[in-house]
Amino acid sequence: GAVVSQHPSWVICKSGTSVKIECRSLDFQATTMFWYRQFPKQSLMLMATSNEGSKATYEQGVEKDKFLINHASLTLSTLTVTSAHPEDSSFYICSTPQGVHNEKLFFGSGTQLSVL
Amino acid sequence: GQQLNQSPQSMFIQEGEDVSMNCTSSSIFNTWLWYKQDPGEGPVLLIALYKAGELTSNGRLTAQFGITRKDSFLNISASIPSDVGIYFCAGQPVSGYALNFGKGTSLLVTP
Repeated sequence: GAVVSQHPSWVICKSGTSVKIECRSLDFQATTMFWYRQFPKQSLMLMATSNEGSKATYEQGVEKDKFLINHASLTLSTLTVTSAHPEDSSFYICSTPQGVHNEKLFFGSGTQLSVL
Repeated sequence: GQQLNQSPQSMFIQEGEDVSMNCTSSSIFNTWLWYKQDPGEGPVLLIALYKAGELTSNGRLTAQFGITRKDSFLNISASIPSDVGIYFCAGQPVSGYALNFGKGTSLLVTP
């Protein structure tokens, strides 16, 4: 399947700082990248959908000014958590769809963000 | 998106036992998928199902796409310790292609 490289694996930051998470597609061109958020022992909640060269589409309740997404190339999508606060602490995962109907999601390894 | 009803929430079994988990929805899905997530990692695709009634195996794993297109189950036969993890079902709705996920089934296997 498709390989998505996500960095960093974990990050600890002070409240008020910004954190950038990168996802790179290693062996294919990712036109679309989904960004998910996962709390402990919870399911994956879709935050936004990014498409290369256009503005991201955010799910209801997700602040677009808080979670900045950039998808400037077909191999790189980034999520920046701006002015992070403790309630932003979570596991963030990117994924890209593949398959005839884009039905298969291939996930990055995730980023555990802890905001102090 | 709509969240799927996945059960059981957790299972604690002995090595060698068979495991069964399922997902239901009030809506029809075009595709059902099953993922496994290890701690601190992203989910990994196990099986994808495309047609109502389809039964697909991947090693010791078997999954079925329900006839009504509103449910799916995953069976794991002869469980081993490395089967430990969280299993998620996911469905692709008729409209749109972003997947809806179940809440997960946490599986613990004792040697």
